[in-house]
Amino acid sequence: AQSVAQPEDQVNVAEGNPLTVKCTYSVSGNPYLFWYVQYPNRGLQFLLKYITGDNLVKGSYGFEAEFNKSQTSFHLKKPSALVSDSALYFCAYNFNKFYFGSGTKLNVKP
Amino acid sequence: KAGVTQTPRYLIKTRGQQVTLSCSPISGHRSVSWYQQTPGQGLQFLFEYFSETQRNKGNFPGRFSGRQFSNSRSEMNVSTLELGDSALYLCASSLELPSPLHFGNGTRLTVT
Repeated sequence: AQSVAQPEDQVNVAEGNPLTVKCTYSVSGNPYLFWYVQYPNRGLQFLLKYITGDNLVKGSYGFEAEFNKSQTSFHLKKPSALVSDSALYFCAYNFNKFYFGSGTKLNVKP
Repeated sequence: KAGVTQTPRYLIKTRGQQVTLSCSPISGHRSVSWYQQTPGQGLQFLFEYFSETQRNKGNFPGRFSGRQFSNSRSEMNVSTLELGDSALYLCASSLELPSPLHFGNGTRLTVT
């Protein structure tokens, strides 16, 4: 079955440190992969997407993600975390419709 | 450009009642999708409409239904509400896939 997985329910990082939120996929063919962020009582906001081309994708708010076909991963990264990055992050792929991971709560501590 | 608008933001209903939620997509977006979000189940896909036709459907009982109008605005209806229907219902619109989804801020439904 096609799916995306976010192995970590929660990630804790200190402000100023690099952050990584993990996502792995199990999709046949070429996947369309996305990252979204959700702040409390809000809808999801689009951060970035991988369709084809460069494996390193840059997105909003300084986030980037690396598509790794051999490891079937699409981890979200940021070089220097901010307290305001604390939120719920979702990885998703699109194949006729969108499939979302279970979400990872990111806590950035001052 | 105005974003996706969902109304109302909050709803409190009693078991057995029915409810209608509304979604106005971004201008020019013809695809509208609905999701249910709960702490235990995460994001669950309900259905997607494109040009007034249901294009995809998730695994929800028939009590959940939706429709899309000619101006792309969409409504979803839940009949015979159950306590387990308490959730944040999110609407998203997009251009033709694989364009990203653009979400509204949701309707928080509480069933008592």
